Amino acid sequence: AQRVTQPEKLLSVFKGAPVELKCNYSYSGSPELFWYVQYSRQRLQLLLRHISRESIKGFTADLNKGETSFHLKKPFAQEEDSAMYYCALSGGMYSGGGADGLTFGKGTHLIIQP
Amino acid sequence: DTEVTQTPKHLVMGMTNKKSLKCEQHMGHRAMYWYKQKAKKPPELMFVYSYEKLSINESVPSRFSPECPNSSLLNLHLHALQPEDSALYLCASSYERYYEQYFGPGTRLTVT
Repeated sequence: AQRVTQPEKLLSVFKGAPVELKCNYSYSGSPELFWYVQYSRQRLQLLLRHISRESIKGFTADLNKGETSFHLKKPFAQEEDSAMYYCALSGGMYSGGGADGLTFGKGTHLIIQP
Repeated sequence: DTEVTQTPKHLVMGMTNKKSLKCEQHMGHRAMYWYKQKAKKPPELMFVYSYEKLSINESVPSRFSPECPNSSLLNLHLHALQPEDSALYLCASSYERYYEQYFGPGTRLTVT
């Protein structure tokens, strides 16, 4: 069974400080990993996909298969980064037809203090 | 049009009612999904459609009945729901299975 773990329910940092939101996963094949963000009263939005290796809004995430982690990082937090962040896993196209809906972690509520 | 739209935004229904939720996308995506999200919880997958065919049903009760009339439209028919079915119902779409998913704003359902 696949599983996504986000150990921090709430993370509060000051503006300008570095941010790291942790995500660990459990999956027997080669997963696709994503970070989604939900700002207050807005829809769930894709932030990052591991395969694209791009930086969005200053956030980056590296897939570490050895540690089965996909932590989200930003060097300098901004107040507009305050939101709920979800790490999510999909079976991936090379998983032999495995589950392809998203399995979400429980989410981390990030608060950036001024 | 680069968004997933959902109607209605809010729905209140009694346990004996029949209602439907609608989802639409015009991005040419061939996979569409229904998720259920309870308050302060992550979304949970309910159904997956790929090329208008149901490919995954995550053991959802039969009081929820999905329908995909065409590649742009996804419906969720509701009948004899229970109060615990009250939640935000999210629709999502992706180019194909395994690609990143784009979410609609959701329908807030209350069952009385």
